[in-house]
Amino acid sequence: QKEVEQNSGPLSVPEGAIASLNCTYSDRGSQSFFWYRQYSGKSPELIMFIYSNGDKEDGRFTAQLNKASQYVSLLIRDSQPSDSATYLCAVTPDQLIWGAGTKLIIKP
Amino acid sequence: DGGITQSPKYLFRKEGQNVTLSCEQNLNHDAMYWYRQDPGQGLRLIYYSQIVNDFQKGDIAEGYSVSREKKESFPLTVTSAQKNPTAFYLCASTGLADNEQFFGPGTRLTVL
Repeated sequence: QKEVEQNSGPLSVPEGAIASLNCTYSDRGSQSFFWYRQYSGKSPELIMFIYSNGDKEDGRFTAQLNKASQYVSLLIRDSQPSDSATYLCAVTPDQLIWGAGTKLIIKP
Repeated sequence: DGGITQSPKYLFRKEGQNVTLSCEQNLNHDAMYWYRQDPGQGLRLIYYSQIVNDFQKGDIAEGYSVSREKKESFPLTVTSAQKNPTAFYLCASTGLADNEQFFGPGTRLTVL
């Protein structure tokens, strides 16, 4: 059974701090890794994707991939209240496998 | 404006009824997907289609049916055999050369 695990949270972070979201996956053959943000009642929207080991930065967001340890993380710098949402991790060896998401709350 | 549309936004079903959820995309994407999301849960794959006139069952296909007669359209029918259909239904699409999925706004189905 291919699995993607995320801590359901909620993860509470003060405004302006760094939020760190983690995801582990079971299939070593996984090639592509995605982070989606989902606001309550809305559909998921793609934030970042990463294919290679290491860090990938896009504005305030950094995705980190460690294939040897089978985890991928998302860092959000200078957290804003508008970052409060559920963050879904998705991994694909072939079809996308989704984690259940981590609820992030940014406290003003 | 390219994107994915789903209709209706809200749908109410009586016990024993079949209902059809619409999904249309103008992104020229080959692959389309239907997911179900229950409160506090992740996405579960119902059906997917990578090419017109072909589709495959996902993890929870029982009680659902789909068709793919046109590249742009991938309707989902929730049949009376689906005993607990109340959920948020999401349609997504992607190009075959890509893995990133783009989502429609969703349809919230409630059984009365």
